[in-house]
Amino acid sequence: NAGVTQTPKFRVLKTGQSMTLLCAQDMNHEYMYWYRQDPGMGLRLIHYSVGEGTTAKGEVPDGYNVSRLKKQNFLLGLESAAPSQTSVYFCASSWDTAKAQHFGDGTRLSIL
Amino acid sequence: GENVEQHPSTLSVQEGDSAVIKCTYSDSASNYFPWYKQELGKRPQLIIDIRSNVGEKKDQRIAVTLNKTAKHFSLHITETQPEDSAVYFCAARSSNDYKLSFGAGTTVTVRA
Repeated sequence: NAGVTQTPKFRVLKTGQSMTLLCAQDMNHEYMYWYRQDPGMGLRLIHYSVGEGTTAKGEVPDGYNVSRLKKQNFLLGLESAAPSQTSVYFCASSWDTAKAQHFGDGTRLSIL
Repeated sequence: GENVEQHPSTLSVQEGDSAVIKCTYSDSASNYFPWYKQELGKRPQLIIDIRSNVGEKKDQRIAVTLNKTAKHFSLHITETQPEDSAVYFCAARSSNDYKLSFGAGTTVTVRA
């Protein structure tokens, strides 16, 4: 099993460009999450999903959109990238909210 | 929503000594408290978790204690080894919620 796979691993964007980060999990997990990680600020939740077709806002949702059209995939979109969105993005999934979250390897995104 | 504070932000210990990281939470309805370890450039991984109906849990050299009255929980690492050097994150989940709230992280350095 691959677990949680994030695509791409690295990306450099110019301000105003758009892009989509893909997260795929093969563990049949209901719950999926997108976090951003910045130095000294831990893991901050952007959006999450409690099942196929559902999405909800997390702690820092502004500037991001998400979709969960299929249970195994959770997409994170940046419509108009800003330098403040330079970060490492982690996707995670879990079978239950009181069980381990399994993280992907992360996407390092730089906005110039 | 839940607010988790973690201390200290950095911790340097001599190999073989113990390390203790403390977290406090704000929501008395929180009932699940995991700890994640993140090695440099890697994904966060669950190392131990505890539920509110348990006061202490051990797994080899690591242990977690929970004080529900004071709303704090701690990670204890005994006989530290160089491979324990990493960033450690505590988290809490309220029974009223689907998501985890993470602390800001503690960078642990084990000196040889």
